[in-house]
Amino acid sequence: GESVGLHLPTLSVQEGDNSIINCAYSNSASDYFIWYKQESGKGPQFIIDIRSNMDKRQGQRVTVLLNKTVKHLSLQIAATQPGDSAVYFCAGPMVGAQKLVFGQGTRLTINP
Amino acid sequence: DAMVIQNPRYQVTQFGKPVTLSCSQTLNHNVMYWYQQKSSQAPKLLFHYYDKDFNNEADTPDNFQSRRPNTSFCFLDIRSPGLGDAAMYLCATSRDHVWGGTDTQYFGPGTRLTVL
Repeated sequence: GESVGLHLPTLSVQEGDNSIINCAYSNSASDYFIWYKQESGKGPQFIIDIRSNMDKRQGQRVTVLLNKTVKHLSLQIAATQPGDSAVYFCAGPMVGAQKLVFGQGTRLTINP
Repeated sequence: DAMVIQNPRYQVTQFGKPVTLSCSQTLNHNVMYWYQQKSSQAPKLLFHYYDKDFNNEADTPDNFQSRRPNTSFCFLDIRSPGLGDAAMYLCATSRDHVWGGTDTQYFGPGTRLTVL
């Protein structure tokens, strides 16, 4: 079946280091991906999105890379701060169905 | 600021007692979604409205119903909550269907439902 999945359920980084969260997808026809950040007890917060006609998109301290050849995308967070602690979800449309498919989520923990 | 608002943020109900969760949006988006999220899991789509057109997910139990009286408001009704329905319920909106790849989906803060 179609899937979007994250490689690691947890990631621990030192404050100030860069974080890289990975996601893989199975359907080569997928053409749109979203990254969400969800802090404890809150709803998912939109971070950044990317369409399949792009390889890279940058936001404030975040960069998303899309590699369509290997069906992989990543979220890079520069100079990770304590406020970045959260669960990060990648999501993409399920081709042919009216829904988003979410990855399982990666919990990012920041060490002081 | 335009936003997605959910009330209440925390809801406690008794087993079998009907409960209604509400969502409102100031974004004037066409699509409103309801998701269920259990601990340490990804959000699971229950149903969505495109304007007044209701679209139910095949695996959403009949116990869950929804109403959208106008563009701004959407309600989730749980007719007879069971212990397994305890979860975070998330409302989301998008201008057009998010799976079209042209519009992003924005979530509200969620309502945490406890069933006693």
